[in-house]
Amino acid sequence: GDSVTQMEGPVTLSEEAFLTINCTYTATGYPSLFWYVQYPGEGLQLLLKATKADDKGSNKGFEATYRKETTSFHLEKGSVQVSDSAVYFCALSDPTQGGSEKLVFGKGTKLTVNP
Amino acid sequence: NAGVTQTPKFQVLKTGQSMTLQCAQDMNHNSMYWYRQDPGMGLRLIYYSASEGTTDKGEVPNGYNVSRLNKREFSLRLESAAPSQTSVYFCASGLVRGNQPQHFGDGTRLSIL
Repeated sequence: GDSVTQMEGPVTLSEEAFLTINCTYTATGYPSLFWYVQYPGEGLQLLLKATKADDKGSNKGFEATYRKETTSFHLEKGSVQVSDSAVYFCALSDPTQGGSEKLVFGKGTKLTVNP
Repeated sequence: NAGVTQTPKFQVLKTGQSMTLQCAQDMNHNSMYWYRQDPGMGLRLIYYSASEGTTDKGEVPNGYNVSRLNKREFSLRLESAAPSQTSVYFCASGLVRGNQPQHFGDGTRLSIL
């Protein structure tokens, strides 16, 4: 079945550091890929998405590029802020699995940014 | 714009008690989902409903039942709560198209003693 693998956390960075959170996937079809963010005590919010190969999703300074050849969707940000401290989830939706478009999530990566 | 609303936000139960978690969405979405979130496990799908009148099992359905009351509401019931069901439960809704994201509620934090 489909699966998503994220780098293990937690990740601790200083403010203005460069962030990469790795995400690779396994899917039978051509999935859409998502990054969600969860701030403390809240639900998940969509951060960005990409629906086909070579698409780049971007939002709030975060970027991720859909790489079909390496089955990856790594999240990057050039300069993190304390307010970026959260848990980040990579997810995929594979329409070839049929029925409602279910999301398959990675286990999440906790990011802490120190001032 | 409320989005996805879950009630209650917190609940403590004793083993064997029953309760229903409520979820409502105001975005006219067809699909609704229930997940549980446990440390180190990410989110796991319990049940989902592709449309009003249909429900299907997800990855971890045992011990739970669901009802899609109408297009807006999707409830999750624990008939006889067990400590292993201590978790944070999230409801989500979305359109039935793979390139569209799901929208999540703020969660219900459930502890079973």
